[in-house]
Amino acid sequence: EPEVTQTPSHQVTQMGQEVILRCVPISNHLYFYWYRQILGQKVEFLVSFYNNEISEKSEIFDDQFSVERPDGSNFTLKIRSTKLEDSAMYFCASSEGRGTYNEQFFGPGTRLTVL
Amino acid sequence: KNEVEQSPQNLTAQEGEFITINCSYSVGISALHWLQQHPGGGIVSLFMLSSGKKKHGRLIATINIQEKHSSLHITASHPRDSAVYICAVNMYSGGGADGLTFGKGTHLIIQP
Repeated sequence: EPEVTQTPSHQVTQMGQEVILRCVPISNHLYFYWYRQILGQKVEFLVSFYNNEISEKSEIFDDQFSVERPDGSNFTLKIRSTKLEDSAMYFCASSEGRGTYNEQFFGPGTRLTVL
Repeated sequence: KNEVEQSPQNLTAQEGEFITINCSYSVGISALHWLQQHPGGGIVSLFMLSSGKKKHGRLIATINIQEKHSSLHITASHPRDSAVYICAVNMYSGGGADGLTFGKGTHLIIQP
């Protein structure tokens, strides 16, 4: 069964460093999302992406974040200068059609630890 | 701003019991999702519904749009059902709202 994959599973970085989290969505899906979950808190929406541009973003998704689909399969989230409060689990998701009307399939997550 | 509230926050039950988890939301939505999160962290979609009722195996999800309320039921619960169950919604919007708004989750433990 097709699934969303994410790498790495765990990333440790120093404060101020740049990190890139990678996702491979399900191959025929057109909409892609990033969510994050700070330990012990609820999952929060960061950004959605369609047709090579951001479709929607939350207040959390500020200038230090960016997303890209560098090739036909990968979808990346870059955090330019990491802060301690960026430590969280980051989930990628994808859907066949618009998220408003379609089921979203989640990847296993990348645990980001900022020291 | 839409708020998604779940109850109970924690639920411990014996194997075989009928389980109900509730979700309420404050503004109009286009769809509601029930998700399962296991201790390792991965999130699995269980149901997406915009009206009525859906059933998959021992799981049943219902939604009442007028009352802005949904329930997830588990029949004949089993220890392997132990997980966090999360309610999430797509807010109704003609131009967006693809991102989900999540509840805090219900931590379910089924004891043998």
